[in-house]
Amino acid sequence: GAVVSQHPSRVICKSGTSVKIECRSLDFQATTMFWYRQFPKQSLMLMATSNEGSKATYEQGVEKDKFLINHASLTLSTLTVTSAHPEDSSFYICSVHPGGRGYTFGSGTRLTVV
Amino acid sequence: DQQVKQNSPSLSVQEGRISILNCDYTNSMFDYFLWYKKYPAEGPTFLISISSIKDKNEDGRFTVFLNKSAKHLSLHIVPSQPGDSAVYFCAARFSGGGADGLTFGKGTHLIIQP
Repeated sequence: GAVVSQHPSRVICKSGTSVKIECRSLDFQATTMFWYRQFPKQSLMLMATSNEGSKATYEQGVEKDKFLINHASLTLSTLTVTSAHPEDSSFYICSVHPGGRGYTFGSGTRLTVV
Repeated sequence: DQQVKQNSPSLSVQEGRISILNCDYTNSMFDYFLWYKKYPAEGPTFLISISSIKDKNEDGRFTVFLNKSAKHLSLHIVPSQPGDSAVYFCAARFSGGGADGLTFGKGTHLIIQP
């Protein structure tokens, strides 16, 4: 299956600052990547679908101006949480779908906004 | 509104016995189902999947059963091992003509007791 690298694994930032999370598909050219968010004891919720070379598709209720997604190459998608607030503290995970069996997920990023 | 439901937050099973994790869904458009295993602060790891045209898929100790009429699927792990202790997520997808993200349940924390 595909190998997905996500960085950083954890980040603490001050309220009002922006944080960038990177998701790299190491051995698969991903025209599409998916970004999920998981709150404690909740399911993973799809936030947006990142499309290489075009705009991301956001799920209902997800603010596109707050969660900026850039998918400039077939191996890299970035999620930037702008003007972060404590309620944005969560576990963010990206994934790719190389076809066939399942989706491959990154290791996730634990964001804490203080 | 949860389209994928895992009604048991936790399940405790003795080592060597069978673990049965259940999942229900409400969206009849879902045509592909997956099970993931997740440890804290890590991304989900793919276990097994099943297409809606099948009712059973087996891979080693893992078997997934799908009952479309009941909109129910289950994951059987036999025999259960201590390393199986983790949170298990059921996920579903419908093929909307493009690459679609997954809809997850809230997960079931499986505890294997020695």
